Amino acid sequence: QQQVKQSPQSLIVQKGGISIINCAYENTAFDYFPWYQQFPGKGPALLIAIRPDVSEKKEGRFTISFNKSAKQFSLHIMDSQPGDSATYFCAASPNSGNTPLVFGKGTRLSVIA
Amino acid sequence: KAGVTQTPRYLIKTRGQQVTLSCSPISGHRSVSWYQQTPGQGLQFLFEYFSETQRNKGNFPGRFSGRQFSNSRSEMNVSTLELGDSALYLCASSPPPGWDDTQYFGPGTRLTVL
Repeated sequence: QQQVKQSPQSLIVQKGGISIINCAYENTAFDYFPWYQQFPGKGPALLIAIRPDVSEKKEGRFTISFNKSAKQFSLHIMDSQPGDSATYFCAASPNSGNTPLVFGKGTRLSVIA
Repeated sequence: KAGVTQTPRYLIKTRGQQVTLSCSPISGHRSVSWYQQTPGQGLQFLFEYFSETQRNKGNFPGRFSGRQFSNSRSEMNVSTLELGDSALYLCASSPPPGWDDTQYFGPGTRLTVL
């Protein structure tokens, strides 16, 4: 199975709150899990990525939590800001990131003041 | 360092026509991948080229084709356009193995088929 399932489709969060987006996958060959951020009119840009050998990775306000046994991973955005309003995509690929990425359907995040 | 560039940014075509999209990867990147983005299907992998050879191919009909030149620039072609081909076509380039695993995306070409 190549699918990556992402939820929720859309999310509204108050400024300063925590945004949480979840993804689940089936293919146990996946070993690279990036999150991309996309603003209107732009291409996706890498936000943060994780490999299955760690359960959590933090970069600034962004944290990936990874649960290998459940085949799930999530993105947490702490202290969400209006500038974080964008569409977020989780993705997965086998054999490092230089192989085709399988993307989730995306989550449209709106951070309101 | 310049990012991935794609031309043109916008295209309007009619059914039955063909179209060619161009992508220039980041300098030093030899792998170029193409993705189709639509509201309904999201981001779907089309194909990947490395050193002028197609290395991976997604599940798209043969109307979708591509090529890569010796300078790593890539083109994709869609023949006999259908309404459902309307989408944002994204190109991504990847650095050589061992540098990092990131795929760097361009801004895309918005194709509208009327």
